[in-house]
Amino acid sequence: EAGVVQSPRYKIIEKKQPVAFWCNPISGHNTLYWYLQNLGQGPELLIRYENEEAVDDSQLPKDRFSAERLKGVDSTLKIQPAELGDSAVYLCASSGTSGRYNEQFFGPGTRLTVL
Amino acid sequence: GDSVTQMEGPVTLSEEAFLTINCTYTATGYPSLFWYVQYPGEGLQLLLKATKADDKGSNKGFEATYRKETTSFHLEKGSVQVSDSAVYFCALSDLQGAQKLVFGQGTRLTINP
Repeated sequence: EAGVVQSPRYKIIEKKQPVAFWCNPISGHNTLYWYLQNLGQGPELLIRYENEEAVDDSQLPKDRFSAERLKGVDSTLKIQPAELGDSAVYLCASSGTSGRYNEQFFGPGTRLTVL
Repeated sequence: GDSVTQMEGPVTLSEEAFLTINCTYTATGYPSLFWYVQYPGEGLQLLLKATKADDKGSNKGFEATYRKETTSFHLEKGSVQVSDSAVYFCALSDLQGAQKLVFGQGTRLTINP
């Protein structure tokens, strides 16, 4: 079974440029998460989707970050414009049916460098 | 809010040494607790979990016991191998249906042959 797929794996851009990250969750997983992992830190949740609905986006900086989940499957996270402080690893995860707890499966992440 | 504090790294041990990585948490209610591992170049993987007080999670020779009285979930292994070299993250998830994982800062472990 394929895991969570993310692309690109690495991205280098100049500040003020836009950037987008793509995530394809495990087939059948209705919950999708985007996490931000700064260097030397643990991941922090940016947004959580249940199917196509964003049910927790309280930590998403909405002035420059946006996300969408097309048809409740793939998801795209966008930054526009990027700032130097956005350099980090962006992780996507997915989990199965909602409940008390369902294991989150993580993708390899996209490492963003903003110059 | 909820938080997780991990033993600061990096940690370097010799093969077959005993490993302990400390983890304490602050949470309202009774969270589920987890250890995730990140091998070089790979995504985070769930290593073990415990969902209630006094539960012991175990996997691949690693163990951790949910201690409500000390709000701790320390990771232990009796004899580490070079292949255990990775970054280890302690995390919690609330039981309010949010399923949001709150992670510690991670501990980098290096095992020398």
